[in-house]
Amino acid sequence: EVQLVESGGGLVQPGGSLRLSCATSGFTFSTYWMSWVRQAPGKGLEWVATIKQDGSEMYYVDSVKGRFTISRDNAKNSLYLQMSSLRAEDTAVFYCVGKIRGPDSYWGQGTLVTVSS
Amino acid sequence: QSVLTQPPSVSAAPGQKVTISCSGSSSNIGNDFVSWYRHLPGTAPKLLIYENNKRPSGIPDRFSGSKSGTSATLGITGLQTGDEADYYCGTWDSSLSAWVFGGGTKVTVL
Repeated sequence: EVQLVESGGGLVQPGGSLRLSCATSGFTFSTYWMSWVRQAPGKGLEWVATIKQDGSEMYYVDSVKGRFTISRDNAKNSLYLQMSSLRAEDTAVFYCVGKIRGPDSYWGQGTLVTVSS
Repeated sequence: QSVLTQPPSVSAAPGQKVTISCSGSSSNIGNDFVSWYRHLPGTAPKLLIYENNKRPSGIPDRFSGSKSGTSATLGITGLQTGDEADYYCGTWDSSLSAWVFGGGTKVTVL
């Protein structure tokens, strides 16, 4: 059974930092492009970042460039998102995604990040 | 303002058909495959269509996808109450070097 379990979400003050983790199992993690996608309250899905199988390429949405860093550990089948200089507009449910374009596309249940004082 | 444009909502009676449009440009839909997702807030989004018109295993043939030029369409036939959800299109934008989603379309079964 495929599982993607996000963790690390929570309440953080503006300007603060948070590290999200995604533990995966049930598929060959090292062969998958991995991504983070978020959904702010009342808004649609927004792609955040993507990393290549070997970590050699990373892509980010403009609004998080310089603040967020996506990384992975293929030995631990895990994906990470280091977030800094957090803003209120970063408040969202963050989803871990394996192969966003398919056909074997896997999504986690999400972890909530709330940026508020 | 999303790069890909979808109607905010569509509706139809049970058993009927709905179509959801997704309009883009030459740097995204016109240049790459389109995927479609279903999402119920609070749950994990689910891939319905990949590479414009292919269905992952387990997705019923009531769901179909097509693409022409810089637009794509998702069709749902034999509408069921369980189809009520938000639907998103997505593709890679080569000018932005970013994956882009449409704004989402809420499907309501009357």
